[in-house]
Amino acid sequence: QVRLVESGGGVVQPGRSLRLSCGASGFIFRIYPMHWVRQAPGKGLEWVALIAFDGSTKFYADSVKGRFSIFRDNSANTFLEMKSLRTEDTAVYYCARDLNTVPGKLSYSGFDVWGPGTTVTVSS
Amino acid sequence: QSALTQPASVSGSPGQSITISCTGSGSDVGSYDLVSWYQQHPDKAPKLMIFEVSKRPSGVSSRFSGSKSGNTASLTISGLQAEDEADYYCCSYADSSLSSYVFGTGTKVTVL
Repeated sequence: QVRLVESGGGVVQPGRSLRLSCGASGFIFRIYPMHWVRQAPGKGLEWVALIAFDGSTKFYADSVKGRFSIFRDNSANTFLEMKSLRTEDTAVYYCARDLNTVPGKLSYSGFDVWGPGTTVTVSS
Repeated sequence: QSALTQPASVSGSPGQSITISCTGSGSDVGSYDLVSWYQQHPDKAPKLMIFEVSKRPSGVSSRFSGSKSGNTASLTISGLQAEDEADYYCCSYADSSLSSYVFGTGTKVTVL
């Protein structure tokens, strides 16, 4: 079945780096744009980053621009490289599949498959 | 980019209908038919319920419907059931340098 599984979360000190991974299975990964969405403890959802199906286009939320980097490989993995972490980056990070309503283009229609999430805690 | 505004809580009895509003601006909800809705049970990942304002993904109950008027989108749950008790979030594409997507503040639905 269609599945996403995140890994790489943990406890890290402010200013340090962390890389999250998201493994995909059960669908043709190479045709789907992918996203990261996060949720701080007791708070709402916040979109973080988007990568096009071929990796050619990337967008970031202003709150992480310049510090986070999204990339993908040919083995059905999506990554989120997080640098200069701040306490406000503490959250559950979800990997999500784009709805891909317009194959080959960014449709911005939403997110149809989500992983269970991985927790990142930034604390000294 | 400010979060879309949703009521903090909405409640209803089993079998009733409830509507959750999601108010944005002309830079997001008002300009694009790219509103989606997500259901989230405690400690679970969100689940897509509605996309492109009113389209239902395969497998989502027809009791869930979406609409939009101006800068406000709405999610209606008909025939409310106990399992509908959850948090609900709207989301819209945003024509902003700050973020490509903006989520709503979230609404806790309680089944009385």
